[in-house]
Amino acid sequence: DIQLTQSPSFLSASVGDRVTITCRASQGINSYLAWYQQKPGKAPKLLIYAASTLQSGVPSRFSGSGSGTEFTLTISSLQPEDFATYYCQQLNSYPRSFGQGTKLEIK
Amino acid sequence: EVQLVESGGGLVKPGGSLRLSCAASGFTFSSYSMNWVRQAPGKGLEWVSSISRSSSDIYYADSVKGRFTISRDNAKNSLYLQMNSLRAEDTAVYYCAKTGYSYGHFDYWGQGTLVTVSS
Repeated sequence: DIQLTQSPSFLSASVGDRVTITCRASQGINSYLAWYQQKPGKAPKLLIYAASTLQSGVPSRFSGSGSGTEFTLTISSLQPEDFATYYCQQLNSYPRSFGQGTKLEIK
Repeated sequence: EVQLVESGGGLVKPGGSLRLSCAASGFTFSSYSMNWVRQAPGKGLEWVSSISRSSSDIYYADSVKGRFTISRDNAKNSLYLQMNSLRAEDTAVYYCAKTGYSYGHFDYWGQGTLVTVSS
């Protein structure tokens, strides 16, 4: 099974900051990685798929990069609505594992 | 507009059974594989099960294998999760999610249904 490790697990930042979240896979997954945003009490929302493809309707301040075993999600300029928990997920093989999540909080 | 609406959650005793349903609309249901994902209170996301378009390929997490059964009815645009031998650790919000085109990502999610396993 493929394990995904996100870092950091918690991140404190201010509106306007640039932030980066990393997701490392225990083995190569090519570009079969997605990023989701989840707000309290809500379903996850797809942000990025195929490691770097922005889902339709997602603001361009979100971007993804990486391939193989190391991936990043970057938010170029944090907005108030971006404070949430972010998850990566690998789609290379079953089981379709998720990272443990990164909680982004307001500083 | 894609809509996924889960139902069937509730309170059940350990060892009991429950059947979740997910009603899909706004897309050609039979053309996409579907998934169940759960989230225990205060915890992260856990993939549970996936089913291919024609039900020919089915996958389960080890934590539910042998106890849960995923199925679909393409004529009714519906996805199901039969959950047997429920345990306290199965307590979670259960989401159904549609698979996106090509890369296997989950592009649309339902609002979730809460399953509580407790005596």
